[in-house]
Amino acid sequence: EVQLVESGGGLVQPGGSLRLSCVASGFTFSSYWMGWVRQAPGKGLEWVANIKGDGSEKNYVDSLRGRFTISRDNAKNSVFLQMNSLRAEDTAVYYCMRGDYWGQGTLVTVSS
Amino acid sequence: QTVVTQEPSLTVSPGGTVTLTCGSSTGAVSSGHYPYWFQQKPGQAPRTLIYETSNKHSWTPARFSGSLLGGNAALTLSGAQPEDEADYYCLLYYSGVNWVFGGGTKLTVL
Repeated sequence: EVQLVESGGGLVQPGGSLRLSCVASGFTFSSYWMGWVRQAPGKGLEWVANIKGDGSEKNYVDSLRGRFTISRDNAKNSVFLQMNSLRAEDTAVYYCMRGDYWGQGTLVTVSS
Repeated sequence: QTVVTQEPSLTVSPGGTVTLTCGSSTGAVSSGHYPYWFQQKPGQAPRTLIYETSNKHSWTPARFSGSLLGGNAALTLSGAQPEDEADYYCLLYYSGVNWVFGGGTKLTVL
C-alpha cells in the first residue's frame, strides 16, 4: 500500500524557515517524481515543486523559486521542502504527492 | 502567466450527468498536457480520480470518466451520487512552466 506521510509543519514567524519532510512507503521510491502542492486556507491547490526520481531535475513554480528548495534522500524514501524567508501568504496545508497518491498534508502557519 | 480555467461551480441532480471542463490560456488542451483530475471533500486531502487524460485508478468510481472535449480536458460524471459533492481540480503540464492547477469547480448534487 502506497503511503505518504508529511511532517515538519507548524507555526513560524515571518522571515523564518521551516523544513518539511515526507516519508514514502509501498513503492520503489527512487523510480518516481515526487512533488509538493499547497493549499492556503479556503483557497485552491497550488503546485509548488517537483523532483525527479534520481534527484537530477528539480522544478519550481516561478513565484517561489529562490525561497523554496526541494530535495530527496532515496536511501530514506524521503522528500523534503526547505522553505526560507517565509511570509504570511505561505500559510497553507502542504501536501506531498506522487501524482496519483497524496499525503494527508502538514499545516504551515506563518504569523507573528 | 499561464492560466488554467475551470467552472467555479456546477450543480447536478442526483442520477444526472455533468461535465466539468479544464481550459488553458495557451490554447487547446491536448494529451501532451497530461491532464489530471482530483476530487477534494471538505477537510480531506485531494485524491486523484483521472490521470493522463482518461486513465482511472482502482478507486475511481466507474461513473467518472476523463476525455478531451472541444479543446478542453473534461471530467464527466454520469449518474451523480450525493457523495460526489466535492471540489474538483484539474492539473495540466506545460513544458518549461511545469504543472498548473485550475481554480477548481465546486460541484453540488441537488
